[in-house]
This record gives sequence, C-alpha cells and structure tokens, in this order.
Amino acid sequence: GQSLEQPSEVTAVEGAIVQINCTYQTSGFYGLSWYQQHDGGAPTFLSYNALDGLEETGRFSSFLSRSDSYGYLLLQELQMKDSASYFCAFLDTDKLIFGTGTRLQVFP
Amino acid sequence: NAGVTQTPKFRVLKTGQSMTLLCAQDMNHEYMYWYRQDPGMGLRLIHYSVGEGTTAKGEVPDGYNVSRLKKQNFLLGLESAAPSQTSVYFCASSPGANVLTFGAGSRLTVL
Repeated sequence: GQSLEQPSEVTAVEGAIVQINCTYQTSGFYGLSWYQQHDGGAPTFLSYNALDGLEETGRFSSFLSRSDSYGYLLLQELQMKDSASYFCAFLDTDKLIFGTGTRLQVFP
Repeated sequence: NAGVTQTPKFRVLKTGQSMTLLCAQDMNHEYMYWYRQDPGMGLRLIHYSVGEGTTAKGEVPDGYNVSRLKKQNFLLGLESAAPSQTSVYFCASSPGANVLTFGAGSRLTVL
C-alpha cells in the first residue's frame, strides 16, 4: 500500500532550527513535496524534490533520499508566523498523496 | 487572477440530500483535484482529472462523483449525503501534478 509517516507535533522557540521528518512507502514515486497550512487556511506549496539532495528556498530547505524513502523539511531562523501544519506528500504518476501533517508551534 | 475559486464556502445538508461543489481555475491548468480534510487525517484525495473530459478515482472516492466538462471547471457531487461526509473540501489545480494551487476550501456539514 501507500503511506507516509511524519510526527504529529513539533515545538520550538523563535530563532531556532527545526527539522520535520517524513518517511514514505509506495510502489510509484516521482518526488516529494512539502506544503504549509495555517489554521483555517488553504495548503500552500513550499518545495518539491524530484532528485536526491537538498533544495534551499530562503529559510526553508527540503531534503530527499530515495534509497531510504525519507525526506525532511528544515526550517531555520524560526518566526512566530511559521506556526502552522506542514504536510509532506509524494507524487505518484499524476497525483499527490499527503501525509497526516505535523503541527509546528513556535514559542517566543 | 483569482486562482482557484470554490463555491460554496459553507453548506449545511440533511442526510440524503444532494449537492454539487464547484471549483473554477483561471490558470489554464490541466490537472485538477478534490481533497477532503478531516481532523488528524490530513488531506485525502477523492477524485482527480488530468484534462478536460477525464476523471479518475483517488483514495476515498465512494459516495462522490465528479465531472470535468470544461477545462477550467471541476465539479464534485454528493448524490446522497451522509454524516461521514462532513468535512472541509479543497480543490486544487496544477500545470503538471507536482505543484498544487489550492482553493480556500468548502466546509460541509451533514446533519
């Protein structure tokens, strides 16, 4: 079957660095995506990794290891506005399958 | 550009009633998706479309039907609503499946 696992909740303080891990299981895999969702809002795209390695976009970085079926999202210089849910999702041919999400709480 | 627009934003139904959720996108995207989001369950794919006139089943298609008669519109129908279909429904579109743009969501309550 297809599945993704990520921690349900992570807490950190402003200015810190946090890593959200994601492991997946699927027979069809084209890449790993990350989305952010604030309470009451819609998910918004953060990053997509098709190949192994690290992709950096400002304070956010995403990593993929296809051989380990593993990826992570790294958030640096945390700000209060980063408090949100973060979803990993793998691309299976022409559709994204999402994990259950990680709720990040940033404290002052 | 409006992006992805969902109609209605809120709806309350009685068990057994039918309704249609409309999703419209103005980005000329080929791919369109319907997800439902429940507490602790993440986003689950209901149905999707890879182009005008096409539809395919996702992870949780039972109780729903879809149509993509025009490229810019993707309709999600509930023929006989059940309390288990109480959820927040998100539509999304994409030029190539890996980067989705979501609508604001439609909150549906079935009594």
